[in-house]
Amino acid sequence: DQQVKQNSPSLSVQEGRISILNCDYTNSMFDYFLWYKKYPAEGPTFLISISSIKDKNEDGRFTVFLNKSAKHLSLHIVPSQPGDSAVYFCAASAAGANSKLTFGKGITLSVRP
Amino acid sequence: DAGITQSPRHKVTETGTPVTLRCHQTENHRYMYWYRQDPGHGLRLIHYSYGVKDTDKGEVSDGYSVSRSKTEDFLLTLESATSSQTSVYFCAISWTSGPGYYNEQFFGPGTRLTVL
Repeated sequence: DQQVKQNSPSLSVQEGRISILNCDYTNSMFDYFLWYKKYPAEGPTFLISISSIKDKNEDGRFTVFLNKSAKHLSLHIVPSQPGDSAVYFCAASAAGANSKLTFGKGITLSVRP
Repeated sequence: DAGITQSPRHKVTETGTPVTLRCHQTENHRYMYWYRQDPGHGLRLIHYSYGVKDTDKGEVSDGYSVSRSKTEDFLLTLESATSSQTSVYFCAISWTSGPGYYNEQFFGPGTRLTVL
């Protein structure tokens, strides 16, 4: 049972435009959400996170939106740059002792020059 | 960057042989994790540790064992490697977890393991 779903395996966007990466979850106990970025042959790196008490968190070109009622979050990248081309993983966690992260399958973003 | 190293970075082995992967951290983080990444599956948790000698299973723990005798080292052992264990393995660390805390993890560079 996949608790974190990234249903679109890939996304291609023109440089300078907005990239919107979507993520859905099914576990209502999740209350903290993270996005990781991964380049080939490297480990994932933390990008941005959001707590369930918020509906938006912004960091430079990256904004994450959370819709708890829909169990949906999205990552917006504006403007998109070729260096943003990578695999993006959505992850979720439930607060509690020894809580773990549950990851989605990832979305490959390609930003065309 | 968090001080996390993994060794070896690449390994080719034969079916049935034992394999040990090492994760070493210099951050003194309490929590350590082993994941595998496979096409179409994303990152899946194999085992994790919440302190020295304290470990627990993740979602894909069959065929794997772990040990943590020191804060800085977390070992992943494949007792008898199979071709289905061909994958990229990532170690991760986090400072804390538990009520009121959230689990931001930092990842190592990965180990690419091929089982022939």
